[in-house]
Amino acid sequence: AQSVTQPDIHITVSEGASLELRCNYSYGATPYLFWYVQSPGQGLQLLLKYFSGDTLVQGIKGFEAEFKRSQSSFNLRKPSVHWSDAAEYFCAVGAGGGSQGNLIFGKGTKLSVKP
Amino acid sequence: DTEVTQTPKHLVMGMTNKKSLKCEQHMGHRAMYWYKQKAKKPPELMFVYSYEKLSINESVPSRFSPECPNSSLLNLHLHALQPEDSALYLCASSQDLGAVARGSPLHFGNGTRLTVT
Repeated sequence: AQSVTQPDIHITVSEGASLELRCNYSYGATPYLFWYVQSPGQGLQLLLKYFSGDTLVQGIKGFEAEFKRSQSSFNLRKPSVHWSDAAEYFCAVGAGGGSQGNLIFGKGTKLSVKP
Repeated sequence: DTEVTQTPKHLVMGMTNKKSLKCEQHMGHRAMYWYKQKAKKPPELMFVYSYEKLSINESVPSRFSPECPNSSLLNLHLHALQPEDSALYLCASSQDLGAVARGSPLHFGNGTRLTVT
């Protein structure tokens, strides 16, 4: 069965420091992978997605993610974190084939940013 | 700004009340979704509509009743809810039902924060 694991429940980084949020997936075929961000009380905003081609994907707000098939990973990175990046981050895999499709979410990683 | 609009933003209702949540999108998407999200948890799929027809019902209690009047609108009718139903209810849309499995993302609204007293 498809699944997504985000090993870190909560991460705290200093403003200006680099960031890496981990995501591991389990999926039989070529996965379609997404990172969403959710600010408190808000909906989910798409940061970036991977579905084929270049394994390094650029997203909005300076985020990038690298797909590594050998490690079943799709880690999210940012070189320099801003205080406004504090939020909950969800990794998801697009599951299902044919006429059905759904997102399988990880449990999320909460990012706190220290001044 | 989100392209999926949800109203109201906040809703407080008693267990005997009847209320409705509304969702609207004008992206021409033909699949629309309701998710429920409890605090510190990922969203959980409730219903999916495809071309205005209910396609997926994830064994949701009948006190939640979805409706899709047209391709742009999605409602969630609430009746006789329980306090444990308090959550953030998210609406989402996609090009069609298979879009996610082809790598096309879901577009989410900002949600309705529901409190059942």
